[in-house]
Amino acid sequence: DARVTQTPRDKVTEMGQEVTMRCQPILGHNTVFWYRQTMMQGLELLAYFRNRAPLDDSGMPKDRFSAEMPDATLATLKIQPSEPRDSAVYFCASGLVAGGGNEQFFGPGTRLTVL
Amino acid sequence: QQQVKQSPQSLIVQKGGISIINCAYENTAFDYFPWYQQFPGKGPALLIAIRPDVSEKKEGRFTISFNKSAKQFSLHIMDSQPGDSATYFCAAYDRGSTLGRLYFGRGTQLTVWP
Repeated sequence: DARVTQTPRDKVTEMGQEVTMRCQPILGHNTVFWYRQTMMQGLELLAYFRNRAPLDDSGMPKDRFSAEMPDATLATLKIQPSEPRDSAVYFCASGLVAGGGNEQFFGPGTRLTVL
Repeated sequence: QQQVKQSPQSLIVQKGGISIINCAYENTAFDYFPWYQQFPGKGPALLIAIRPDVSEKKEGRFTISFNKSAKQFSLHIMDSQPGDSATYFCAAYDRGSTLGRLYFGRGTQLTVWP
């Protein structure tokens, strides 16, 4: 049963600390998305990759957020330094974007709390 | 700018009732409209989707109605059940774009009372 996995599931940290979230996309999917979910903003697209190359990261605060895909089985989202306003649930999703296909498969999310 | 506008933000329905969630869009390039369902503590998952060449698609108790001229689409849940309590997101997609991204609405939190 192929699924997107994310670690950690929960993270509590103090303001100013570095946070790294990891995602393993579904094997064979060529596109990986990072979303942030809050009550106020809903699902915000932060960044996404196609075949490991960054396609768009305009949704991400550039000064503190960075997203990478070091290999096809791992995507990372890093926040440095973290701030209380970064508290949210962060989702990774993957999909096979080809020939009109576009279903995105979401991971279970990382719930981040910055104190 | 929110490309897809969704309402209401929250909805409370009695068991057996009909739940209706509405979405509207402006970009006429959108040609695929999925709905995602999210249970607490889980990621969203595809529920049902429609292409604009049809005005309605039904899967079980879930129906999407699509009005191309008004650029609106809606999700109807018939005979709503407590197990339907979840957050629902509408989305839109341009199949002709190479970007491959979905534009999501802000979500509707549905509560079905037993």
